[in-house]
Amino acid sequence: GAVVSQHPSRVICKSGTSVKIECRSLDFQATTMFWYRQFPKKSLMLMATSNEGSKATYEQGVEKDKFLINHASLTLSTLTVTSAHPEDSSFYICSTYSGQGVMGGYTFGSGTRLTVV
Amino acid sequence: QKEVEQDPGPLSVPEGAIVSLNCTYSNSAFQYFMWYRQYSRKGPELLMYTYSSGNKEDGRFTAQVDKSSKYISLFIRDSQPSDSATYLCAMTRQGAQKLVFGQGTRLTINP
Repeated sequence: GAVVSQHPSRVICKSGTSVKIECRSLDFQATTMFWYRQFPKKSLMLMATSNEGSKATYEQGVEKDKFLINHASLTLSTLTVTSAHPEDSSFYICSTYSGQGVMGGYTFGSGTRLTVV
Repeated sequence: QKEVEQDPGPLSVPEGAIVSLNCTYSNSAFQYFMWYRQYSRKGPELLMYTYSSGNKEDGRFTAQVDKSSKYISLFIRDSQPSDSATYLCAMTRQGAQKLVFGQGTRLTINP
């Protein structure tokens, strides 16, 4: 099956710094990638949808200047949390969509635990 | 009202029990229904997928969709401690890319 690699799995950063999270599709071309945020014991909250070569579409309430998404190629999308604050601490998960239908079309990364101190 | 409602639990049952997990939804346009399993600090993995109404069985897992009631279920038979995880329902409509997730139910199977 499709494999999505998300890196890093855990990161601790100081308040005010920026952190970049990478999401790579290893064996297929992902036309669309999704970025989610998950709080403890909560469901996945969609932050934004990105299509290769175009600007990301952000969900209501998500600050696009704070959460920068780049989808420069069909195999790589990055999420940069800029000027991170403790309230940005969360579990971030990417998901790819191959465009080949719902069944088997979505593959999730293993997530990144971000802690801002 | 949330588009998808799922009892967050936690749910704790003894090994070997039959587990029933459920979600309700409000959007009648949803046609694709999925169940994901998520282990702690990991990304979700697809467990079952159903299109429209009906049942689908895969080993110890059975997914049911009742579109008339806007209600979906996941049954786990002969539950094992390795089934302990958070189970998320997700759904989408024809032509859409975004999935709408339930809150997730934390399940613990006790040996």
